[in-house]
Amino acid sequence: EPEVTQTPSHQVTQMGQEVILRCVPISNHLYFYWYRQILGQKVEFLVSFYNNEISEKSEIFDDQFSVERPDGSNFTLKIRSTKLEDSAMYFCASSDSAIAVETQYFGPGTRLLVL
Amino acid sequence: AQTVTQSQPEMSVQEAETVTLSCTYDTSENNYYLFWYKQPPSRQMILVIRQEAYKQQNATENRFSVNFQKAAKSFSLKISDSQLGDTAMYFCAFTRDDKIIFGKGTRLHILP
Repeated sequence: EPEVTQTPSHQVTQMGQEVILRCVPISNHLYFYWYRQILGQKVEFLVSFYNNEISEKSEIFDDQFSVERPDGSNFTLKIRSTKLEDSAMYFCASSDSAIAVETQYFGPGTRLLVL
Repeated sequence: AQTVTQSQPEMSVQEAETVTLSCTYDTSENNYYLFWYKQPPSRQMILVIRQEAYKQQNATENRFSVNFQKAAKSFSLKISDSQLGDTAMYFCAFTRDDKIIFGKGTRLHILP
């Protein structure tokens, strides 16, 4: 069964450093998403991406964040200058249609720890 | 505000018992989808069950079923014959535009 993959599974970084979280969505999917879950809290939407541009972003997704689809398979989330409060689990998701948003498939997540 | 409320932060039941997790939500949309996601200690998000708001029939997936009350904006999850592997955090969620809105979760412990 096709699945969304994410790398790395864990990342530790120093405050102020840049991090890039990588995702490989399911191959025929066109809609991509990032969500964040701070430890002990609910999962929160960050951004959706379609046709090489952001469709929607939340208030969390400030200028420190950017997304990119650098090639035909990867979808990345970059945090330019990490803060302590960026420590969280980051989930990538993909869907084959915005209409079929109900079938967003989630990756296993990247656990980011900012020291 | 479009939100999801899970009123039970934590629950414990004996193995083989039936347990119901409650969820209410608030949306002004007429067409949307509702979900229950399971998050085990590995923290992966696993889709348990999905309900389309325009369908009156309650969704079922093996031991998992929902009680969907659209007018009341209620979407509870029933787990029958609970198993130790059901121990996890359970999130209720619904779609808004092209994103998913999650509740804060219910931590479910299945006791041997």
